[in-house]
Parts: sequence; C-alpha cells; structure tokens
Amino acid sequence: QKEVEQDPGPLSVPEGAIVSLNCTYSNSAFQYFMWYRQYSRKGPELLMYTYSSGNKEDGRFTAQVDKSSKYISLFIRDSQPSDSATYLCAMSGVTGGGNKLTFGTGTQLKVEL
Amino acid sequence: EAQVTQNPRYLITVTGKKLTVTCSQNMNHEYMSWYRQDPGLGLRQIYYSMNVEVTDKGDVPEGYKVSRKEKRNFPLILESPSPNQTSLYFCASSFAGINSPLHFGNGTRLTVT
Repeated sequence: QKEVEQDPGPLSVPEGAIVSLNCTYSNSAFQYFMWYRQYSRKGPELLMYTYSSGNKEDGRFTAQVDKSSKYISLFIRDSQPSDSATYLCAMSGVTGGGNKLTFGTGTQLKVEL
Repeated sequence: EAQVTQNPRYLITVTGKKLTVTCSQNMNHEYMSWYRQDPGLGLRQIYYSMNVEVTDKGDVPEGYKVSRKEKRNFPLILESPSPNQTSLYFCASSFAGINSPLHFGNGTRLTVT
C-alpha cells in the first residue's frame, strides 16, 4: 500500500462546476500538506499550503485537512478551462526515517467548455 | 523573476555516455533537490542538499551523482546512463527544507537508448 493514495483520473467536468480532488494517507506523522498544480510540459507549482488540520481558502480554491481520517481535499469553485492540469498532493513530517516529503501520483483534471 | 532553471529541456543519449543536467536557482534558497517523475509512480526524490557541500540520498539515488559547490547550482550527473533512467527530471528548491514550499524547474525529459 502506498503511503499517499490519489485517484489518477482523468476527471472531466464542465466549465463552472465545483471540483473535488482528494488524497488519503497512512502516516500519522505528516503535519504539512500541500497541493501542487502541474500543467503539461511544466514543473509543479505550489497552489495551497496548510499546516495540521483545518481549512484554507484562496480565491476559488479551498484546501481541507482532516487528520483524524487521514484525508485531504482540494475544492475548486467555478472551474475554468485554465484549471485543466494535473493536481498533486504532497505531505511532509518527521517520521521514523527522518523528515520526509511524499507526493501523490496526481489527478488529471480537464475542464471542458 | 524568481525561478529554477534546468538545462537541457530535452536530452536523448545512448547507454553509458556520461551526462550532466544543470540546475540553478536565483532565490538564495538553502535547500535543493532532484526528482524523477514516472507514470504511476509520481515524483520520487533522487538526491537533496540542505546547504553548500552537504548532499544526501533520497529514495532512488542509484545511478546518480550530485554536487553542491555553490549555493545556486545543483547539477545532476549520470555517469553511465541506462534505459531505466529514461524519465522526466525536476530540480526543486526551497527556503528551508521539505516543510517549506518547493519551487520547481520546468523539467528535463531524458531518453536513454
């Protein structure tokens, strides 16, 4: 079982839809949670960064962390074609092997006109 | 503009021919790292560096070398490339380690025949 699980998609939604992207994890030592967006032929870019549990909102994007369920989500409101990309979750914390950052494999999102 | 610059963007080579992929950042970041990205496996860390002259192995270091002689540069060296090193490579940097947001380069697509 992977330490971080993420549905690869692809996920196709109409423009204006609310998108929910999710990751589950098994390591309770993770404390920092991030979402990266990766456009085709580009490097990942940081979208959201949260520490511990709770919600964080930035424009159309909301990140949620539920540490009790080991589950994180990214919501995109009023989705746009420009949101079409691969979304990677990532999480880090001090584990038995030291400070560790682990990425999910990414969910491919397509927002259609 | 704050950025991580990798060169080359695309590289095709033959088995056994030594190559170097360069990485440079202009943000005065302490931490730099190399990742490879493969379908279904996500981003896996090859090597990282917490500071000048300090490097350490990541999850998949076999067949790779790195050096950190200057703060801004972190080249990735493949002494004797093999076909299983065909992949998309990303250099990344952050202000203070893996718990800080990573800034990624735009990637180097390497093909080893």
